[in-house]
Amino acid sequence: GAVVSQHPSRVICKSGTSVKIECRSLDFQATTMFWYRQFPKQSLMLMATSNEGSKATYEQGVEKDKFLINHASLTLSTLTVTSAHPEDSSFYICSAVLENYGYTFGSGTRLTVV
Amino acid sequence: QKEVEQNSGPLSVPEGAIASLNCTYSDRGSQSFFWYRQYSGKSPELIMFIYSNGDKEDGRFTAQLNKASQYVSLLIRDSQPSDSATYLCAVATFLGTDKLIFGTGTRLQVFP
Repeated sequence: GAVVSQHPSRVICKSGTSVKIECRSLDFQATTMFWYRQFPKQSLMLMATSNEGSKATYEQGVEKDKFLINHASLTLSTLTVTSAHPEDSSFYICSAVLENYGYTFGSGTRLTVV
Repeated sequence: QKEVEQNSGPLSVPEGAIASLNCTYSDRGSQSFFWYRQYSGKSPELIMFIYSNGDKEDGRFTAQLNKASQYVSLLIRDSQPSDSATYLCAVATFLGTDKLIFGTGTRLQVFP
């Protein structure tokens, strides 16, 4: 149990366009999901906490207007990178938590902005 | 500012040896502690978690927690080359509601 599906796994987009990343909990309901970003050879940095039915809570320094998070149902959270630029190129990972199981992660999305 | 500290390594151990990975954390209110393994280009995989002081064993892995010293470690017995990866320590205040704070990770290399 506790599988989180994340799509797409890789995406290349042109500078200035927007990209949507989906994160689904397949066999459980996730009231809370987390979005992380990881640059090469660095650890995971939390971007925001996504709560079903309410606004996301963003970490300090993360632009909420640039990284739009929607958590419309108990099984789906989306992250949209708006007006992407090359510096947004990174590995984006979502996570959900299941009681007595811990935090489980999606497979990640490698975003390359050209 | 909550912080989780790990030695970045690399930690090199021969095959069959015990690998010892260490982690310290700054927030005394932390209650849940996790070890993840991450291969290059992949997302983290949960190895195990621990809540209580003492040792917790799962196969070749043993997590050790000392809340008084704000220290958590992971021992890997009979290390295999396939264990070569980055090991991430992560901490949360409340499981299920709180965000997970990661350390910078320790790169482990197990050589044949």
